[in-house]
Amino acid sequence: DTEVTQTPKHLVMGMTNKKSLKCEQHMGHRAMYWYKQKAKKPPELMFVYSYEKLSINESVPSRFSPECPNSSLLNLHLHALQPEDSALYLCASSPAPAGTSGRAYEQYFGPGTRLTVT
Amino acid sequence: DAKTTQPTSMDCAEGRAANLPCNHSTISGNEYVYWYRQIHSQGPQYIIHGLKNNETNEMASLIITEDRKSSTLILPHATLRDTAVYYCIVRVATGNQFYFGTGTSLTVIP
Repeated sequence: DTEVTQTPKHLVMGMTNKKSLKCEQHMGHRAMYWYKQKAKKPPELMFVYSYEKLSINESVPSRFSPECPNSSLLNLHLHALQPEDSALYLCASSPAPAGTSGRAYEQYFGPGTRLTVT
Repeated sequence: DAKTTQPTSMDCAEGRAANLPCNHSTISGNEYVYWYRQIHSQGPQYIIHGLKNNETNEMASLIITEDRKSSTLILPHATLRDTAVYYCIVRVATGNQFYFGTGTSLTVIP
């Protein structure tokens, strides 16, 4: 199984709502990532988890709260978002955090969640 | 933090080789070059990566210049399904991060 799944596929939420995005992989990967992609722009890294611990936060506003409950799951909790947060949110995973062996591993991406904030 | 420069768009005739260039003139010795593509509204798809040597897999070939300041992704026989945005990414081997550049929008023409 080389698939990263994301739910939901589409999400519409108001600025006062609380919602969560979910990401799951069963490849035994120990690094997981959240990216944000605006229309016609490249993906932008938001968060990196290594061995279930947050290792990188790219200065993301606190209204985005990541969580990694176990090695297969990654959540992104959303609260008090703004319309400009509307975007495609991509999850990815890789076999291991690079650095343990010097080898660089490819990232496997999910299909994304299309988020619209009204 | 993107360290790559790519042409904004390119066209290629179906059945011909598509050659996509990437400039990474500030690349360091332990940084890998990765190529991904993204078909409209889907997640990025891994194509190939390399450090110093040229690489080939079932999808493409990667040619890295001797000074490692640039590389070329070659799709040997482009099909309509290869129409996508192609991203060249430089990644440190000891880090987890991918920083995407602006990418090249490749259109394969019948």
